Amino acid sequence: AQSVSQHNHHVILSEAASLELGCNYSYGGTVNLFWYVQYPGQHLQLLLKYFSGDPLVKGIKGFEAEFIKSKFSFNLRKPSVQWSDTAEYFCAVTPNTGGFKTIFGAGTRLFVKA
Amino acid sequence: NAGVTQTPKFRVLKTGQSMTLLCAQDMNHEYMYWYRQDPGMGLRLIHYSVGEGTTAKGEVPDGYNVSRLKKQNFLLGLESAAPSQTSVYFCASSSDSHALLNEQFFGPGTRLTVL
Repeated sequence: AQSVSQHNHHVILSEAASLELGCNYSYGGTVNLFWYVQYPGQHLQLLLKYFSGDPLVKGIKGFEAEFIKSKFSFNLRKPSVQWSDTAEYFCAVTPNTGGFKTIFGAGTRLFVKA
Repeated sequence: NAGVTQTPKFRVLKTGQSMTLLCAQDMNHEYMYWYRQDPGMGLRLIHYSVGEGTTAKGEVPDGYNVSRLKKQNFLLGLESAAPSQTSVYFCASSSDSHALLNEQFFGPGTRLTVL
């Protein structure tokens, strides 16, 4: 079965620290990849997405993610986190089979200490 | 544009009661989804719809029914609520436009507690 694994369930960082959240998926074909963010008390919103082309994708608020096809990975990074980045982050994968069902990872809760 | 809206925002039910959650979107999206979010499990797809009048089962459909009588609305029903259905329910929609393919727009969620 297709699945998405997020390596860390909880991450605590101090402001200005660098962030990398891991995401791996299990699907052998072409995929569309997403990172969504859920700030406290808010609904999920798209952070960035990858469909094709440059495997390094830049999103909002200084986030970026790199698609490494050989590793089935799509890790999220930010060079310097801020207190306002405290949120839950979800990696999501849609197999590019002409369908539209998206598989979400379990999420990573990030807490940034001021 | 309001985007995706959900009603109600909160609800407490007793075991065996029924209720309907309403999702509405004003983006003219073809696809709509119902997810449940539980701690440590991410979002799991309950049911989805590829267009008005069509619905299909997702990953965890048991105990739920859905209807999409109008393109802009997607209803999720619990016929006989159970404590295991205590969760936060999110509705989402997405476009069939290739440029926006698979990007989902989420509602604010409904927190449901079943006692």
